[in-house]
Amino acid sequence: GAVVSQHPSRVICKSGTSVKIECRSLDFQATTMFWYRQFPKKSLMLMATSNEGSKATYEQGVEKDKFLINHASLTLSTLTVTSAHPEDSSFYICSATESSSYNEQFFGPGTRLTVL
Amino acid sequence: AQTVTQSQPEMSVQEAETVTLSCTYDTSENNYYLFWYKQPPSRQMILVIRQEAYKQQNATENRFSVNFQKAAKSFSLKISDSQLGDTAMYFCAFMKTQGGSEKLVFGKGTKLTVNP
Repeated sequence: GAVVSQHPSRVICKSGTSVKIECRSLDFQATTMFWYRQFPKKSLMLMATSNEGSKATYEQGVEKDKFLINHASLTLSTLTVTSAHPEDSSFYICSATESSSYNEQFFGPGTRLTVL
Repeated sequence: AQTVTQSQPEMSVQEAETVTLSCTYDTSENNYYLFWYKQPPSRQMILVIRQEAYKQQNATENRFSVNFQKAAKSFSLKISDSQLGDTAMYFCAFMKTQGGSEKLVFGKGTKLTVNP
């Protein structure tokens, strides 16, 4: 149980376009979902926290208008990178928690974004 | 703000031997959770072990155990009988609570290589 999926696993886009990444909890209802960014050989950096039906809470320094997060249901959260630029190229990881998970975050497999 | 420090960027160990990864943290909280996550080359984050700060007993999961020293704010991971599959990045993480959501603060990671 407690499986989180991400789609797509890999995406390449042109500079200036927008890219949407989906994060789904497959076998549980996610009360909270988190979005992280990871640069090569670096740690995970929390971008934002989202709860179903409410606005995401962004970490300091993360542009809200650049990284749009929608948590429309208890099993789906989306991250849209708007007007992507090469510096947005990175590995994006989502995680989810459920009320009975004893504070454990279940991580998705990540999405590799490359902006040309 | 909470911080997590992993002072060993890279470590190596021979198969079947024991290795200890260090982690220290800084917090003014009294109750919190500490985690060790493993990130293999697939980049899927995997929970290795979890410790609750109010529990004095060190957590153990098969070959993985921790040495939790609350006063010293130290949380090291010991891997016994190392296996080739243990080769991965290991991240120490601290969970704080802010605004009702549980955030993870990660250290920079330790790259562990198990040699045959």
